[in-house]
Amino acid sequence: GAVVSQHPSWVICKSGTSVKIECRSLDFQATTMFWYRQFPKQSLMLMATSNEGSKATYEQGVEKDKFLINHASLTLSTLTVTSAHPEDSSFYICSSRLAGGPFSYEQYFGPGTRLTVT
Amino acid sequence: KNEVEQSPQNLTAQEGEFITINCSYSVGISALHWLQQHPGGGIVSLFMLSSGKKKHGRLIATINIQEKHSSLHITASHPRDSAVYICAVQSGANSKLTFGKGITLSVRP
Repeated sequence: GAVVSQHPSWVICKSGTSVKIECRSLDFQATTMFWYRQFPKQSLMLMATSNEGSKATYEQGVEKDKFLINHASLTLSTLTVTSAHPEDSSFYICSSRLAGGPFSYEQYFGPGTRLTVT
Repeated sequence: KNEVEQSPQNLTAQEGEFITINCSYSVGISALHWLQQHPGGGIVSLFMLSSGKKKHGRLIATINIQEKHSSLHITASHPRDSAVYICAVQSGANSKLTFGKGITLSVRP
């Protein structure tokens, strides 16, 4: 099946610094990538939808200037958490959707990145 | 009321038992996803359904569009099946997923 990778798998950073998380679709092209956040014992919460070559669409309540998303190619999207604070500590997960065709409903999830802000 | 409801919330089973996890939804959908999340956090997509039934190994997923209900069955359960099982629905090819809260399954040896 399709493989999505994330890097890094975990990161610890100091409050006020910025952290970049990469999401790659390894063996397929993804026109759309989704970024989710998951707090302990809670379900995934969609942060933003990223379409290749255009600006990301953010969900209500998610600050676009704090969570910068870049989707420069069909295989790579990045999420940058700027000026991170302890409350940004969470599990960040991306998913990629196959570009077009009969399988355009399918989404493949990355393994997630655990961010801890001290 | 959540758009996606899963039951039971927590489930404990003995190794070898047949397990059923349910998902009900209240909106019109075009696809339903079953996801598995292990304690480490990574998510695996198990099934994507729009009708009928799918089988993969010991896992079987069914969906009844008229009743707005889906079930995930695990046959001959094993401790490695212990995980959180999440149901998510999608109303169109380009629409976002709406997630259930997930069911925590624990299979005892």
